[in-house]
Amino acid sequence: KQEVTQIPAALSVPEGENLVLNCSFTDSAIYNLQWFRQDPGKGLTSLLLIQSSQREQTSGRLNASLDKSSGRSTLYIAASQPGDSATYLCAVGMDSSYKLIFGSGTRLLVRP
Amino acid sequence: GAVVSQHPSWVICKSGTSVKIECRSLDFQATTMFWYRQFPKQSLMLMATSNEGSKATYEQGVEKDKFLINHASLTLSTLTVTSAHPEDSSFYICSAPTSGRGETQYFGPGTRLLVL
Repeated sequence: KQEVTQIPAALSVPEGENLVLNCSFTDSAIYNLQWFRQDPGKGLTSLLLIQSSQREQTSGRLNASLDKSSGRSTLYIAASQPGDSATYLCAVGMDSSYKLIFGSGTRLLVRP
Repeated sequence: GAVVSQHPSWVICKSGTSVKIECRSLDFQATTMFWYRQFPKQSLMLMATSNEGSKATYEQGVEKDKFLINHASLTLSTLTVTSAHPEDSSFYICSAPTSGRGETQYFGPGTRLLVL
C-alpha cells in the first residue's frame, strides 16, 4: 500500500529565504506526482505536475524534482514571500485514473 | 481556467439529519469526479469515485450506504451524508479531471460540515 510522507510538518522562515519541502513515497511505481497548495479552509491549487518519466518541473519561483528510484520528491521555493504561507501537499498518482494519494502536508509560514 | 464549484461552502446540521453537497464543473464536462475527506490537520483521503451514468466506486472502509453519491449529469455530482453523526464532521472536497488536457484535475473549494 502506497504511503506518502512529508517532512517537515511545519516550517517557519523569514521572508526572502530559499526553502525545500520534502516528500517521500514507499512504492516507487508511480504514474505521476503533484504538488498542491492549500490555503486555510480552502480547496487545492495545483502547483506542479511531474510525470514518472520526468525528473523536474519548474514554474516561476517553484521547482519540483522527482527521484523515483529513491521514492523522493522535493519542492524548492526561491526567495520566499509572505504570500507563500500555506499548506503544501504532495500527492502521487499510481495510474492514469486520476486518483491521488496525499501526504499530510507541510504548513509553511513566511514571516515578513 | 477550468473551475469546479461546491455548494454549500459550509453547513451545520443536527445529528441524524442528512446533508447533500454538490460538486459542479462550470466550464467543462466531467464523466468522473472524486470525493475526498479531510480531517483537521490531516491530509485528504479519497472516499469514492463518482461515475456519470453508473454507480460510484468506494474506497475500502467507506460506507456506501452512508455516503450516497449520484453523478446526475456530466457537470454535477452530489454527495449525501445520510444520518450524519458528529464523527462525520469534516472538510469534504471534490475534484474533476479535465480529460483531453493532460493529467490536470481541478479541485473544488471544499465544504465544511459540522454535525452537532
